[in-house]
Amino acid sequence: AQTVTQSQPEMSVQEAETVTLSCTYDTSESDYYLFWYKQPPSRQMILVIRQEAYKQQNATENRFSVNFQKAAKSFSLKISDSQLGDAAMYFCAYSLPQGGSEKLVFGKGTKLTVNP
Amino acid sequence: DAGITQSPRHKVTETGTPVTLRCHQTENHRYMYWYRQDPGHGLRLIHYSYGVKDTDKGEVSDGYSVSRSKTEDFLLTLESATSSQTSVYFCAISDRPTNTGELFFGEGSRLTVL
Repeated sequence: AQTVTQSQPEMSVQEAETVTLSCTYDTSESDYYLFWYKQPPSRQMILVIRQEAYKQQNATENRFSVNFQKAAKSFSLKISDSQLGDAAMYFCAYSLPQGGSEKLVFGKGTKLTVNP
Repeated sequence: DAGITQSPRHKVTETGTPVTLRCHQTENHRYMYWYRQDPGHGLRLIHYSYGVKDTDKGEVSDGYSVSRSKTEDFLLTLESATSSQTSVYFCAISDRPTNTGELFFGEGSRLTVL
């Protein structure tokens, strides 16, 4: 069974600084998708970034980028120029491309605090 | 924002009572999901639906049932609520059968079972 591990229950960063959230996963598959979801205090979860395993290039969305290390099964999220609005729970998730979204597996989350 | 509405947003009930949570979408998405979120567990899938009257179990389905009689509504029922079902429940929708697309989440329903 696939598992997703976020080893940092909580992280903090100073405003304007850079922070990296860690995620590792366990799978025997070669083709899959990885996601980072953000859950602000208002609780509605939104997709931050998505990575397809067959793509070597790391995904980037504005200030958010990933460091995807397929051999190490690592998928970390880097937030540059952190803003107060980045404070949230961040969930790493894994999915196979086949089948339905029921195959999405979430990590336990990392709570990010942004200090002014 | 995706048109997803969960109701009620907050509910306190007693052990043994039935509870129904409603998820309503205006996006006409085929796929709908119920998750529960608990500290230290992240999100866990309870049930999901891949069409009207088509549902299946997720990882933590015991004690829950669902129904989907219309595309826009997905109901989660706790037949006899227990304290272990105290949680925050999230509905999510998607328009694709695989996870090449993203899930859109509702704002959550906080349920407390006394």
